Amino acid sequence: EPEVTQTPSHQVTQMGQEVILRCVPISNHLYFYWYRQILGQKVEFLVSFYNNEISEKSEIFDDQFSVERPDGSNFTLKIRSTKLEDSAMYFCASTILASGSETQYFGPGTRLLVL
Amino acid sequence: GNSVTQMEGPVTLSEEAFLTINCTYTATGYPSLFWYVQYPGEGLQLLLKATKADDKGSNKGFEATYRKETTSFHLEKGSVQVSDSAVYFCALIENSGYSTLTFGKGTMLLVSP
Repeated sequence: EPEVTQTPSHQVTQMGQEVILRCVPISNHLYFYWYRQILGQKVEFLVSFYNNEISEKSEIFDDQFSVERPDGSNFTLKIRSTKLEDSAMYFCASTILASGSETQYFGPGTRLLVL
Repeated sequence: GNSVTQMEGPVTLSEEAFLTINCTYTATGYPSLFWYVQYPGEGLQLLLKATKADDKGSNKGFEATYRKETTSFHLEKGSVQVSDSAVYFCALIENSGYSTLTFGKGTMLLVSP
């Protein structure tokens, strides 16, 4: 069964460093998402991406964040200058259609720790 | 705005016990409702969903009914197994053109033999 994959599974970085989290969505999906979950808190939407551009973003997704689909398979989230509060589990998701009834398929997540 | 509230965990049960995890929501429109499950070390997997009022979603013995009058989508299972131990997330998407999931905080279920 096709699945969303994410790398790395864990990343430890120093405050102020740049990190890139990678995702490979399901191959025939068209809409891609990043969510995050700070330990003990809710899973929160960050950004959605369609047709090589951002379609929606949350207040969390400020200028420190960017997303890119550099080739036909990868979808990346970049944090330019990490802060302590960026420590969280980051989930990538994808779906065929952006409608309320379509299932979003999630990857296993990348646990980011900023020291 | 939209929000989802779930009962606090962990929920600790013995095998074959009855499970209920409460979920209520607030939405401006008419959302679709979902339960996702996260097994240890894995990603979020869709467990079941319901897209309109009075629909019942079901999968792997789990059920949840979309109750518009009480804005609820409680998860139930008649007889839990040790393998059901996981974190369960209730979530919604507005059916108004937006496609972002709004999640609850998650409820951890621990089932002992």
